[in-house]
Amino acid sequence: EIVLTQSPVTLSLSPGERATLSCRASQSISSNYLAWYQQKPGQAPRLLIYGASTRASGIPDRFSGSGSGTDFTLTISRLEPEDFAVYYCQQYGASPWPFGPGTKVAIK
Amino acid sequence: QVQLVQSGAEVKKPGASVKVSCKASGYTFTDYFIHWVRQAPGQGLEWMGYINVYSGGTNYAQNFKGRVTMTRERSISTAHMELTSLRSDDTAVYYCARRPPQVAFDYWGQGTPVTVSS
Repeated sequence: EIVLTQSPVTLSLSPGERATLSCRASQSISSNYLAWYQQKPGQAPRLLIYGASTRASGIPDRFSGSGSGTDFTLTISRLEPEDFAVYYCQQYGASPWPFGPGTKVAIK
Repeated sequence: QVQLVQSGAEVKKPGASVKVSCKASGYTFTDYFIHWVRQAPGQGLEWMGYINVYSGGTNYAQNFKGRVTMTRERSISTAHMELTSLRSDDTAVYYCARRPPQVAFDYWGQGTPVTVSS
């Protein structure tokens, strides 16, 4: 079973700054089936990135994903006020399909 | 437009069962798997399993095997998740989500809070 770790736990930044979030898998993820989600309080998660680097429909281009194998990165090029939230990665290449523990992007 | 609308909040006693429904609209129900994910208060996301809506086949996370049953009613485009032998640590928001081929979970239900308390 693949285990995902995310770092940092919390990222404190100001609007306009660049955010870099990391997701590491305990073993290689097949076909780079790695997704990123954003979740705000009281809301369901929202798909941002799938296939490690493909933006989901309607996602602004300030969000980008990269990586392969076991190391993946979500980058938010310039933080907007609405981007402060928790971000989860998930592998969906092989069952089970766990999520990482999440990274909170907080306002500094 | 695609929508997944879940049933309302539930309060259950320990040892009881809960059945959560997820009604799909705006797409061909049988073309996509439905997954279930839960989130305990203040915690992260936990994948529970999925149902192949076309065939009815299921795949459950190890943590839930023996306690969870996922079903669907194709005639009314609705998926169900039943969890038995409830414990206090089953208190969580339960989500359904749609998964297209090669893509992750692109649409989610609004979530169903389930509280387990004596």
